[in-house]
Amino acid sequence: KNEVEQSPQNLTAQEGEFITINCSYSVGISALHWLQQHPGGGIVSLFMLSSGKKKHGRLIATINIQEKHSSLHITASHPRDSAVYICAVLKAAGNKLTFGGGTRVLVKP
Amino acid sequence: DAGVTQSPTHLIKTRGQQVTLRCSPKSGHDTVSWYQQALGQGPQFIFQYYEEEERQRGNFPDRFSGHQFPNYSSELNVNALLLGDSALYLCASSLLGGPGGAYEKLFFGSGTQLSVL
Repeated sequence: KNEVEQSPQNLTAQEGEFITINCSYSVGISALHWLQQHPGGGIVSLFMLSSGKKKHGRLIATINIQEKHSSLHITASHPRDSAVYICAVLKAAGNKLTFGGGTRVLVKP
Repeated sequence: DAGVTQSPTHLIKTRGQQVTLRCSPKSGHDTVSWYQQALGQGPQFIFQYYEEEERQRGNFPDRFSGHQFPNYSSELNVNALLLGDSALYLCASSLLGGPGGAYEKLFFGSGTQLSVL
């Protein structure tokens, strides 16, 4: 079983819909990152979380350390939000990131 | 301010050859991490360099080696290429020694797409 699991693997939404992507992990962590990867490879760091909730524009990320779970929400989704969203955890011991398999999001106009 | 730059963007090699990929970190960053991303998969950690030394390594064979230079730029070398080495190789930089600690903010390059024929 992978240490970081994301769901769903694929998600299709209509423009304007609210989107939720989930990330569960099985190890102790010091931080969790949400990343966005567009076709062609470029990865952008969206959030780094160690507790609570962060908001940036239409993106909201939450983390529950006790439940080992994080969610990324996209409000009022737009076709330009179409990308792969990746959850990555920084284990409590060590400095390497462990990645989930990603969630491919397609927002249709 | 240039972000993380990687070169080349695309590379085609044949089995058994050797390849060197390059990464320049974002200005002010001192730590470089390398990742391998197979098609449709999440990235896998290869290794991380800080102060010109390999600090941590993932589950990759010794054919994968690296180097960090005094200006913090880094190279990833892969020897005796296999077909399975075909992937997108990503470099990420961060400021390990900063007040926020490791990975306060991650910046990724656009990657090098390696195809092994």
